[in-house]
Amino acid sequence: EIVLTQSPGTLSLSPGERATLSCRASQSISSSYLAWYQQKPGQAPSLLIYGASSRATGIPDRFSGSGSGTDFTLTISRLEPEDFAVYYCQQCVSSWTFGQGTKVEIK
Amino acid sequence: QVQLVQSGAEVKKPGASVKVSCKASGYIFTTYAIYWVRQAPGQRLEWMGWINAGNGNTKYSQKFQDRVTITRDTSANTVYMELSSLRSEDTAVYYCARALNWKPNYFDYWGRGTLVTVSS
Repeated sequence: EIVLTQSPGTLSLSPGERATLSCRASQSISSSYLAWYQQKPGQAPSLLIYGASSRATGIPDRFSGSGSGTDFTLTISRLEPEDFAVYYCQQCVSSWTFGQGTKVEIK
Repeated sequence: QVQLVQSGAEVKKPGASVKVSCKASGYIFTTYAIYWVRQAPGQRLEWMGWINAGNGNTKYSQKFQDRVTITRDTSANTVYMELSSLRSEDTAVYYCARALNWKPNYFDYWGRGTLVTVSS
């Protein structure tokens, strides 16, 4: 099973700041099979990024994804109030597994 | 618009079974797969299984292979997930999510989740 490890566990930032979230895979995966989701309290996750760098429908361009092999990054260029949430990475090359999440909280 | 509407919260005793439904609308039901993903308190999201809504083929996570059954009713555009032999560790929010039938298959739409509580 491919294990995804996200860091940091919590990111404390202010609105307008840049957020950089990391996702490391236990083995190399094609970037085509890496996605990022956002989850707000009491809601289901929602797809943000797929194929490591493609934004899902309706996702603003302040969200960007990058990476390859075992290291992937989600960047939020300027945090808006609605961006404070938990973010998960997910792989679908071998079964479907998720990282443990990074919480982006207001500083 | 695509919607996945799940059935309501359940409280079950250990050893019992639970059946959660997921009604799809806003797209051609048989052209996508429906997955079940659960989120237990303090745990990461966990894939349980999926069904090809077109041909009914299923695949289950090894962890749940012996206890989970996923079925669909094409006349009602609804998928069902039944989990048996419930234990306290099965207390979680259970989500259905839509994805393509082939890889790479991301979960582009999700239901709101169904809380299943297992308690004596």
